[in-house]
Amino acid sequence: KNEVEQSPQNLTAQEGEFITINCSYSVGISALHWLQQHPGGGIVSLFMLSSGKKKHGRLIATINIQEKHSSLHITASHPRDSAVYICAVRRGTSGSRLTFGEGTQLTVNP
Amino acid sequence: GAVVSQHPSRVICKSGTSVKIECRSLDFQATTMFWYRQFPKQSLMLMATSNEGSKATYEQGVEKDKFLINHASLTLSTLTVTSAHPEDSSFYICSASGTGVGQPQHFGDGTRLSIL
Repeated sequence: KNEVEQSPQNLTAQEGEFITINCSYSVGISALHWLQQHPGGGIVSLFMLSSGKKKHGRLIATINIQEKHSSLHITASHPRDSAVYICAVRRGTSGSRLTFGEGTQLTVNP
Repeated sequence: GAVVSQHPSRVICKSGTSVKIECRSLDFQATTMFWYRQFPKQSLMLMATSNEGSKATYEQGVEKDKFLINHASLTLSTLTVTSAHPEDSSFYICSASGTGVGQPQHFGDGTRLSIL
């Protein structure tokens, strides 16, 4: 069993829909990252969370440390949101390695 | 915000060539940088952890003599794929975080390596 599991693996939505991607982990963590990888390959760090909730534009990330669960929400989705979204956890200090989920391929159709 | 620059973005070369990939932190000092390999439709696979001024720590199954890592300064790490062969063709990406508490990791744009 992977230490970090994401669901769903693939998600297709219509433009404007509200989207949720889930991440569950089985280890103690110091922080959780949500990453976005576009088809070209580059990775953007969307959020780093250790508790609570963060919002940036149409993106919202929440984490429940007790339940070892995090969600990434996208409101009013747009075709440009189409990408792979990756959950990654860090177990130690800032210089520690990340453990990655398998990623969620999101496709938003116009 | 913090930026990690990775060069080159794409390399196409003949079998037997050695290829060097650079990863630079542009506006912060990175004591530790990470090198990943990614196959199509798969997640990132950590190859090695690069520590400034010391030897890299390689993951199990990664050949140290094949993938040479140098981290000579707090802003630059290099990965050299020596005597590359077609099976080394892949997407390579680096990441780095600053020193201090609560620093996020920042990723380069990756290098797509194709060995003919």
